Amino acid sequence: AQSVTQLDSQVPVFEEAPVELRCNYSSSVSVYLFWYVQYPNQGLQLLLKYLSGSTLVKGINGFEAEFNKSQTSFHLRKPSVHISDTAEYFCAVSDDNFNKFYFGSGTKLNVKP
Amino acid sequence: DTEVTQTPKHLVMGMTNKKSLKCEQHMGHRAMYWYKQKAKKPPELMFVYSYEKLSINESVPSRFSPECPNSSLLNLHLHALQPEDSALYLCASSLGEGVLTQHFGDGTRLSIL
Repeated sequence: AQSVTQLDSQVPVFEEAPVELRCNYSSSVSVYLFWYVQYPNQGLQLLLKYLSGSTLVKGINGFEAEFNKSQTSFHLRKPSVHISDTAEYFCAVSDDNFNKFYFGSGTKLNVKP
Repeated sequence: DTEVTQTPKHLVMGMTNKKSLKCEQHMGHRAMYWYKQKAKKPPELMFVYSYEKLSINESVPSRFSPECPNSSLLNLHLHALQPEDSALYLCASSLGEGVLTQHFGDGTRLSIL
């Protein structure tokens, strides 16, 4: 069975500070990992994904994530956040057929001025 | 602007009403999805349509009835809903079933009185 854990339900951070949102997964098969962002009153938008190859994945809006197999982690990072990054962030793992995403419980990033 | 359009944006209905949610995309995608998202929770997959045929039904109660009249349109017919069905209903589409990037609409916020 596959599952995703996002330990931090909320992360407050000041504008222009760096941020890391944590994601750990468990899977008995090959993993395909994703980060999605959800702005208030909107649907989900794909930030980045790891399928294979380089463990450092760069996404949109200056975000990046690193796949660490030994630590079963896929943490999301940004070196300098903006007020506009305030949103809910979901980590997800897919099944082998990619039809189903197993989402984490989400992390609310609150960027303060 | 999202490329997946959902209507209405908000819907309030009584438990005896019949209503429908509509989702439309003109990107030529052949897979479409319905998700349910409760407040402060991740989205949960309900249905997957692939080439206008139902591919996955995640044991959703029969009071939710999906329909895919053509490759651009996905409906969710609602009847005799319960208060616990109040949620944000998200539609998504992808190029094909199993393709990793799903494009989400902004959702319909449904309230059951």
